[in-house]
Amino acid sequence: QSVVTQPPSASGTPGQRVTISCSGGSSNIGRNNVYWFQQFPGTAPKLLFYANNQRPSGVPDRFSGSKSGTSASLAISGLRSEDEADYYCAAWDDSLSAVLFGGGTKLTVL
Amino acid sequence: EVQLVESGGALVQPGGSLRLSCATSGFTFSDHYIDWVRQAPGKGPEWVGRSRNRANSYSTDYATSVKGRFILSRDDSESSVYLQMNSLKTEDTAVYFCARGYCASGAYQGLDYWGQGTLVTVSS
Repeated sequence: QSVVTQPPSASGTPGQRVTISCSGGSSNIGRNNVYWFQQFPGTAPKLLFYANNQRPSGVPDRFSGSKSGTSASLAISGLRSEDEADYYCAAWDDSLSAVLFGGGTKLTVL
Repeated sequence: EVQLVESGGALVQPGGSLRLSCATSGFTFSDHYIDWVRQAPGKGPEWVGRSRNRANSYSTDYATSVKGRFILSRDDSESSVYLQMNSLKTEDTAVYFCARGYCASGAYQGLDYWGQGTLVTVSS
């Protein structure tokens, strides 16, 4: 289906490992690369991963990305308070010829 | 230093038009895509459209929600991309960001640099 879905919230304590899922369909994640963004209030999104699991320079290796079939995941290990932010996945959709963003996951560090 | 600066946001009445600009610097403009992404207050990002690079014949694509109303154009001499927005609706109210779609060795590698955004408010 031409929609990309994320859980609205996730949480963890400092030092923990947290995973955020991103579910799509055969026309988007199933055929195309997934991108992950991190966003803090009042700022533009920041690219965390391109091509499913490729980390731009400057992104800590505590962050990892993966994709399998029509789903993708973002994992954050050694959770820190500064990781508290909104996280979005995105992928090109061949049926719509458009980029689809997931609804976003608000990560809370307890 | 790569920079993207949006301008042109304003308060406009429903049915009106507005033209946003995205001025870029610090990179070879014709080598990369430029996307527009908008974000309504309290909502997540919504992709608006893409202007591809010279290697891809400057082709464009649009979100379903704006197709037929919004038009992208680019001026390589000015290293700028423009978003002409027509028949504006209240639901178009958002901060509009432009972002560079980085391309290397023929491969697209994501929206790596973003502008600060410009606010468009559609209201009577």
